[in-house]
Amino acid sequence: DAGVIQSPRHEVTEMGQEVTLRCKPISGHNSLFWYRQTMMRGLELLIYFNNNVPIDDSGMPEDRFSAKMPNASFSTLKIQPSEPRDSAVYFCASTPGRGDYSGDTEAFFGQGTRLTVV
Amino acid sequence: QQQVKQSPQSLIVQKGGISIINCAYENTAFDYFPWYQQFPGKGPALLIAIRPDVSEKKEGRFTISFNKSAKQFSLHIMDSQPGDSATYFCAARPNRGYGNKLVFGAGTILRVKS
Repeated sequence: DAGVIQSPRHEVTEMGQEVTLRCKPISGHNSLFWYRQTMMRGLELLIYFNNNVPIDDSGMPEDRFSAKMPNASFSTLKIQPSEPRDSAVYFCASTPGRGDYSGDTEAFFGQGTRLTVV
Repeated sequence: QQQVKQSPQSLIVQKGGISIINCAYENTAFDYFPWYQQFPGKGPALLIAIRPDVSEKKEGRFTISFNKSAKQFSLHIMDSQPGDSATYFCAARPNRGYGNKLVFGAGTILRVKS
């Protein structure tokens, strides 16, 4: 398996523009997570899905952020309108967990999307 | 609100030395404590993990020590090598809810000097 695939790897956009980040989880994984990484705040969980259903979006910073998972193999994180303070590395991760805390489930991360908003 | 506090922020160790990174968690109930390793330009990857019913777990040069009463856990890297230079994150998983939601520490940048 190719692992978790994120696109694009790098994105530079102007303030006010819409940005869409994409993620393809590992096939068969039931849970998907979006994290944001900055020097100041470290790794922050934004939202996670279980079986394509959003479970906890309490980490989404503002209404400008939205995430969808239309099917088991694809998720998007959208920022509209983007602002310079959104500049960060955004990671997608997936786990094979059933969603009920069975076992010690490893989270597999993609390589991230480095977003720069100028 | 950060629920896992990690220290130090950065660490420089001589080759062959011991690297020690500490984490402490607050009053939320957690049941699984993994450590992740991240190299530049890459996503974090699982390094080693421990359950709270065990006080220590060792895998090669990497050891987790866990103190349940103090709500602290630490990562020890023995015989540190330049290839261990990376950012290390401790994490904790709440024992309620769905999935494998992880709360991460702020990270420690480790540099091993050759």
